[in-house]
Amino acid sequence: EDQVTQSPEALRLQEGESSSLNCSYTVSGLRGLFWYRQDPGKGPEFLFTLYSAGEEKEKERLKATLTKKESFLHITAPKPEDSATYLCAVCYNNNDMRFGAGTRLTVKP
Amino acid sequence: DTGVSQDPRHKITKRGQNVTFRCDPISEHNRLYWYRQTLGQGPEFLTYFQNEAQLEKSRLLSDRFSAERPKGSFSTLEIQRTEQGDSAMYLCASSLIDTQYFGPGTRLTVL
Repeated sequence: EDQVTQSPEALRLQEGESSSLNCSYTVSGLRGLFWYRQDPGKGPEFLFTLYSAGEEKEKERLKATLTKKESFLHITAPKPEDSATYLCAVCYNNNDMRFGAGTRLTVKP
Repeated sequence: DTGVSQDPRHKITKRGQNVTFRCDPISEHNRLYWYRQTLGQGPEFLTYFQNEAQLEKSRLLSDRFSAERPKGSFSTLEIQRTEQGDSAMYLCASSLIDTQYFGPGTRLTVL
């Protein structure tokens, strides 16, 4: 069965404490993997698209990487404003899109 | 603002009533998607348009749900005879190729 699993479900960090979020997937015909940030009560905000294993993308304190089975979102020296839910989604087959349940990140000052 | 817009942002209705939501995509985007999101979950795909053609519908989209995209511009999602289980955030997204950009969502509460 096609699945996207994110871990951990929730993560609490101190400001400046770097960590990684995981997104593992079991789909056939991956066309792309997407990371989004979602603040409470708002729509997801696009962060990155990754297309092939080995690819990396960076934006400010965030770096996304992709392997054949999973993706990581690395957060370096996070700040309280990085607190949000981070969603991973995979596009596969003929434009099918499946989201994970997200990782709820809290960064304490 | 050239992002995806949705209207209304919030809707409270009584069970059994019909509701309609509107989505205006980014102007040059030919693909438009509807999702439903409940608390603590990721968005679930409902339906997808390329221009004015509805190309795919999820099994989640029961016969009480209908979506249209006349002339390939804005889209509407209608829910007939609403049920309490329809309470959720309804998200619209648009894309040119593959990366989808989301609107702010419409929060539906069915009493």
